[in-house]
Order: sequence, then structure tokens, then C-alpha cells
Amino acid sequence: QKEVEQNSGPLSVPEGAIASLNCTYSDRVSQSFFWYRQYSGKSPELIMSIYSNGDKEDGRFTAQLNKASQYVSLLIRDSQPSDSATYLCAVNRVSSASKIIFGSGTRLSIRP
Amino acid sequence: GAVVSQHPSWVICKSGTSVKIECRSLDFQATTMFWYRQFPKQSLMLMATSNEGSKATYEQGVEKDKFLINHASLTLSTLTVTSAHPEDSSFYICSANGGLPRESPLHFGNGTRLTVT
Repeated sequence: QKEVEQNSGPLSVPEGAIASLNCTYSDRVSQSFFWYRQYSGKSPELIMSIYSNGDKEDGRFTAQLNKASQYVSLLIRDSQPSDSATYLCAVNRVSSASKIIFGSGTRLSIRP
Repeated sequence: GAVVSQHPSWVICKSGTSVKIECRSLDFQATTMFWYRQFPKQSLMLMATSNEGSKATYEQGVEKDKFLINHASLTLSTLTVTSAHPEDSSFYICSANGGLPRESPLHFGNGTRLTVT
């Protein structure tokens, strides 16, 4: 089982709709969760961080965390073509050496 | 804040030569930096954790004698790919968290695209 799992996609969403990206993790004691966006050929950029159960909103982005079910999701409202990218879920694993583990990423495509 | 600068952004070298990549934290001190490698259409793979003033911690399967890491100051870590081969061609990205707390997110350099001919 991978430590951080994501559906690789591609996920195709019409412009203006809500894109929903999901991620599950295996280390139950993980405390910090992040979503990064990566355009092709570029390095990842941080979109959201979330540390406690519930929702966290920042503009068009909402991160949702459910530690009991060990999943974290990212919602993108009013999707724009510029949102087309690979979205990486990352988890700070603290059960052994603290380090951030990335999922394989979900490719999101916003169709006009 | 939390700016990480990586240099060079791309490099082409011949097989058998060595390449050094620099990673700097510009507006914070980073006792720990991380080096990742990413092949086309694949995810980020952690290569090693660079610790200021001590030896790097390498992930399983990463050759420490091939990928030399030096973290001599709180703002600079270097990765040297020694005796590079075409299979080392990849996108190398360094990162650091923005200081305390330890759980803060990683900020990435712009990456170095290495091509070995």
C-alpha cells in the first residue's frame, strides 16, 4: 500500500464547474496535509495546507480533512482553464523520521 | 517569505562528468532541506534529506556515493551528481520548510533539468 494515494486521472471538468480531488494516506498519526499544484516542467507550488479536521477555504479552493477516515480532498470552484495541472497531495509523516511524502498526483484538465 | 532559489535551472553534461546543483533559502534559515527527483509524467521521489552540519539521510535505493549532498550552512545545500550517466537525466528539485514549526509546508526551488548526453 502506498503511503499517499491519489487517482492519477486525468480528471476532466468543464469550465466553471467544481473539480474534486481526493487523497488517502496510510499513516494514522500524520498531522500536516498539503495540496500542491504542478504545471508541466515546473516545480510544485503550495495551494493549501490543512492541519485539523474539517474544511479550510481560501478563495476558490477548499481543503477538507477527515483524520478518522484518513482522507484529504481539494475542491476547486468555478474551475478555470488555468487550473489545468497536476495536483499533488502531500502528507507530513511523523511516525518515523519526519518527512513529507507525496502522492503520485492527479492530472486535472479543465475543458472550455 | 520562504523563498527557495535553485541553480542552475537547466544543465547539459557529458557522460562521466559531475554536476553540482545549488539550493539556497533566501529569507529564512533551513536546518533541513530535501532533494527530490522527478522523471517525466511521474511523481516526486524523495532522494535524501540534507541536514545542516551533518550527513545527509538517503532514501532506500539512492546511492550516496553518486549523489553527494553537502549542507555546510543554514542557507545552502548542494547536490552533486557524480559520474553522470544518461539515466540520471531528470528534473531535480530542492525544497525546505519555512522554518518552525516543523510541520510547516515545503517550499520548492524552481528545479534543475539535467540532461546527460
